[in-house]
Amino acid sequence: DADVTQTPRNRITKTGKRIMLECSQTKGHDRMYWYRQDPGLGLRLIYYSFDVKDINKGEISDGYSVSRQAQAKFSLSLESAIPNQTALYFCATRGADLTLDGYTFGSGTRLTVV
Amino acid sequence: RKEVEQDPGPFNVPEGATVAFNCTYSNSASQSFFWYRQDCRKEPKLLMSVYSSGNEDGRFTAQLNRASQYISLLIRDSKLSDSATYLCVVLHNTDKLIFGTGTRLQVFP
Repeated sequence: DADVTQTPRNRITKTGKRIMLECSQTKGHDRMYWYRQDPGLGLRLIYYSFDVKDINKGEISDGYSVSRQAQAKFSLSLESAIPNQTALYFCATRGADLTLDGYTFGSGTRLTVV
Repeated sequence: RKEVEQDPGPFNVPEGATVAFNCTYSNSASQSFFWYRQDCRKEPKLLMSVYSSGNEDGRFTAQLNRASQYISLLIRDSKLSDSATYLCVVLHNTDKLIFGTGTRLQVFP
């Protein structure tokens, strides 16, 4: 099993629909992150959490919400999806030694909003 | 101005070539620096951290120049398997990673 698992892997949804992206990890890390990646823009931080009950906005949080249900789970919701939220979404965790381990990313969720 | 800037490439090089990527960052308070590798449609993975004194890992050498706010990655003896996008990544003093848009490398036979 992967250390960081994202579901679904691919999703096509309609404008206005609510959608949730799930992330779970087996690393035992406290810190979890949601990024989106768009061509030419790189990865941009949406939300992050340093522990259960700790939620922080990233640089592009508008239109998104998150829930940290447990140390191992961090879900991202789009309450009313719009086409410019079409992107590749990555969940990541971070261990104590950033220089040694870096971030561990999930395999990504490719979301298309039509 | 982007906080982390990279030449998007692509860099097309033959096997065995030496290739160098550069990256500049704008926040002088940045604490740590990294190179990540990302294969097409896959997740980024840590390639190496970048230390002030410069560091080497096999065919890969990373350099940091804090005065110029400049990071580099040198790949020697390029392999076909090195074809990927290389992301320059900077750790803010706010404990968040800031990613460059990446430099694409294509190694051909």
